[in-house]
Amino acid sequence: GESVGLHLPTLSVQEGDNSIINCAYSNSASDYFIWYKQESGKGPQFIIDIRSNMDKRQGQRVTVLLNKTVKHLSLQIAATQPGDSAVYFCAETRGNQFYFGTGTSLTVIP
Amino acid sequence: NAGVMQNPRHLVRRRGQEARLRCSPMKGHSHVYWYRQLPEEGLKFMVYLQKENIIDESGMPKERFSAEFPKEGPSILRIQQVVRGDSAAYFCASSPAVSRETQYFGPGTRLLVL
Repeated sequence: GESVGLHLPTLSVQEGDNSIINCAYSNSASDYFIWYKQESGKGPQFIIDIRSNMDKRQGQRVTVLLNKTVKHLSLQIAATQPGDSAVYFCAETRGNQFYFGTGTSLTVIP
Repeated sequence: NAGVMQNPRHLVRRRGQEARLRCSPMKGHSHVYWYRQLPEEGLKFMVYLQKENIIDESGMPKERFSAEFPKEGPSILRIQQVVRGDSAAYFCASSPAVSRETQYFGPGTRLLVL
């Protein structure tokens, strides 16, 4: 069946290191992808997005890479900080709907 | 510019009661989306509305659940005769008409059914 999922449910990194969070999707028709950050007790917060006609997009300390050949999306966080600790979701759009993965819990170790 | 507002933040109901969840979109946004999130799970799409119109309710359970987005006032997600399985966090998101894909989320309503 179709799914948006993540390779690793948890990730721990040392403060200052770079983090890479991965996401797999199965519908090649999806044309828009978003990464969200969700802190405990809060709603998802938009981080960065990318369209299917791109393979890389950079923001402030974050980079999203899209590999359409293997249907893979990744979020790279540079110089990870304690405030980056949260659950990160990737989402893909098909028509009117967003499809979210289960999420990866990122823990930053001081 | 206030973000997406949801109330109440926490709601406790007994089985069989009704739950009403409210969402006020960001100023200038005319599209509203409702999602449900169970513990340790991702968000599941429920319904997409524009003012006075339901655009897509394919993620909404066929019974007991309804949603509206009136011309004036907040969007309402209504759950009748709640059951324990309805316990979850319900998130609302909004987007402007010109950029339907960029959704901004509210803080959610955590519903607990006893």
